[in-house]
Amino acid sequence: QVQLVQSGSELKKPGASVKVSCKASGYTFTSYAMNWVRQAPGQGLEWMGWINTNTGNPTYAQGFTGRFVFSLDTSVSTAYLQISSLKAEDTAVYYCARDNNTMVRGVIITLFDYWGQGTLVTVSS
Amino acid sequence: EIVLTQSPGTLSLSPGERATLSCRASQSVSSSYLAWYQQKPGQAPRLLIYGASSRATGIPDRFSGSGSGTDFTLTISRLEPEDFAVYYCHHPWTFGQGTKVEIK
Repeated sequence: QVQLVQSGSELKKPGASVKVSCKASGYTFTSYAMNWVRQAPGQGLEWMGWINTNTGNPTYAQGFTGRFVFSLDTSVSTAYLQISSLKAEDTAVYYCARDNNTMVRGVIITLFDYWGQGTLVTVSS
Repeated sequence: EIVLTQSPGTLSLSPGERATLSCRASQSVSSSYLAWYQQKPGQAPRLLIYGASSRATGIPDRFSGSGSGTDFTLTISRLEPEDFAVYYCHHPWTFGQGTKVEIK
């Protein structure tokens, strides 16, 4: 069965970096893109961007350029999110979500059909 | 940039009641792209509806979606205890702010 398993919670000081992993199993990793979604405490979902697991090409949403980097290690079916120069406002749960492109009424759409369990990143001095 | 506005913010209902959640887009969108997700406390979101009206695999038929243009609706015909959660509509690449369905 499809599973996305993320790395555990992190506590970091402002200015540090963090790398969150998302290990996929149960499907061919390079056949589906991977998205990242942020959820600040008590807030809604915010799409951060996605990475093409075939080419490694990332696309970042507005507000997630510069300090945020998506990467892959296809040999271990794992996607990574690295955040540098951490700020208190980066405190959030970060989710990876598989992108299942599906044809609906002649249009290819994006579905986030499987999600990781989330990784809490806390930034505090 | 498309903005999705969900209403109401909170819906207080009893088990067995019908829930109607609204999602309004800031401009007309293709219904093919509109999806709904459910999120329970401490859990990752789960895909419920895609293409505005198609249920995802394993989703009970008490969940239904409808709408077109700028107005979309998620309906839960009879609330079960496990349905009390937050619901988000989604259109690439944005989410609505969510509607919390709570027990009255």
